Amino acid sequence: QVQLVESGGGVVQPGTSLRLSCAASGFAFIDYAIHWVRQAPGKGLEWVALISYDGGIKYYVDSVKGRFTISRDNFKNTLFLQMNSLRPEDTAVYYCAKSRGSFPGYLDSWGQGTLVTVSS
Amino acid sequence: DIQMTQSPSSLSASVGDRVTITCRASQGVSNYLAWYQQSPGKVPSLLIYEASTLQSGVPSRFSGSGSGTDFTLTISSLQPEDVATYYCQKYNTAPGTFGQGTKVEIK
Repeated sequence: QVQLVESGGGVVQPGTSLRLSCAASGFAFIDYAIHWVRQAPGKGLEWVALISYDGGIKYYVDSVKGRFTISRDNFKNTLFLQMNSLRPEDTAVYYCAKSRGSFPGYLDSWGQGTLVTVSS
Repeated sequence: DIQMTQSPSSLSASVGDRVTITCRASQGVSNYLAWYQQSPGKVPSLLIYEASTLQSGVPSRFSGSGSGTDFTLTISSLQPEDVATYYCQKYNTAPGTFGQGTKVEIK
């Protein structure tokens, strides 16, 4: 079955960087766009970024443009989110989610999430 | 960017009640609208896509309708396991904006 496992979260200081990973299995990773979605403590879901199946198309929410970079390694079935210049408002659980349907697609499978805390 | 607005923000209903949640898009999104359920402490899961198509395994008491800018999620007979926060999301284009969520509780 589809499995998405995020890793790389932790506690970091404002202005620093962190790289999240999402290891995928149970489906043809190379065929699907993948998203990052985050959820601040006690808050709702916020869509963060999207990468097409081949990595050629990327989109970001305005609040992370120029700071976050989404990428993927289709040989290793892994998605990444490089997060630079982190701010306290980036504190959240970060989920990777598999897309389905017409691009950009809806999210039919989600990982368990990894917590990022940005605090001094 | 298109904004997604859900109402109400929360509701409390009795077991067996019919529950309706609405989602309004600031511009038309055709039928590129999904609904997700997030039970307390759990990961979000897909309920409905293409505005009205039930995801495999989702109980038939859930249904979705609408097109363009106005959408509805209905639970025909609320069950205790339906306590959750429900989110709509538009996916016709990026960004895939979510609504702010509707928290459903049992009275």
